[in-house]
Amino acid sequence: GQSLEQPSEVTAVEGAIVQINCTYQTSGFYGLSWYQQHDGGAPTFLSYNALDGLEETGRFSSFLSRSDSYGYLLLQELQMKDSASYFCAVRDRDGGFKTIFGAGTRLFVKA
Amino acid sequence: EAGVAQSPRYKIIEKRQSVAFWCNPISGHATLYWYQQILGQGPKLLIQFQNNGVVDDSQLPKDRFSAERLKGVDSTLKIQPAKLEDSAVYLCASSLQGFSGPTDTQYFGPGTRLTVL
Repeated sequence: GQSLEQPSEVTAVEGAIVQINCTYQTSGFYGLSWYQQHDGGAPTFLSYNALDGLEETGRFSSFLSRSDSYGYLLLQELQMKDSASYFCAVRDRDGGFKTIFGAGTRLFVKA
Repeated sequence: EAGVAQSPRYKIIEKRQSVAFWCNPISGHATLYWYQQILGQGPKLLIQFQNNGVVDDSQLPKDRFSAERLKGVDSTLKIQPAKLEDSAVYLCASSLQGFSGPTDTQYFGPGTRLTVL
């Protein structure tokens, strides 16, 4: 089976840096994605890592360590609008390709 | 490029009634997903279509839920009869490769918020 773990809540101050961790357990791991979801909104894609290392996209970076079954999303220069839920999602190959979402981390950005 | 369209946006029904949701994916996307998202939780995959064929419905409660994808484009998800625990947001998503590709950026619609009383 597959499982993902991420913290349920994180609080940070505007302008700061925050890291949201995700550990996973899956039999046919292929890659790790991150999605952002504002209250009442739809999840939107942020990043995808298939190889070890850091991927940077503006203020957001995502890291993957396949040997540790671990990844994180790094948000820099936090803004109030970054307050949202962040989901890690594993791309798994079990027959065909499947995507399994974690339970999400609620990020609160304070002024 | 138009995004994923869903309707209705909100639906309130009583338990044991039936309800249907509609989804129109992004043009050219082969894969269509239906997710159930209960408040405070991550999206849970209900069913995944590749073109008009089902590739994964392992978490679909088949005694009450059904879905179809007509001609490999639009899709409907039906619940009959509804239970209180079906209250959730039903999200439709689409992607280019889905089942057949290693990368899978999913594009989500706005969702339908279902309340079962």
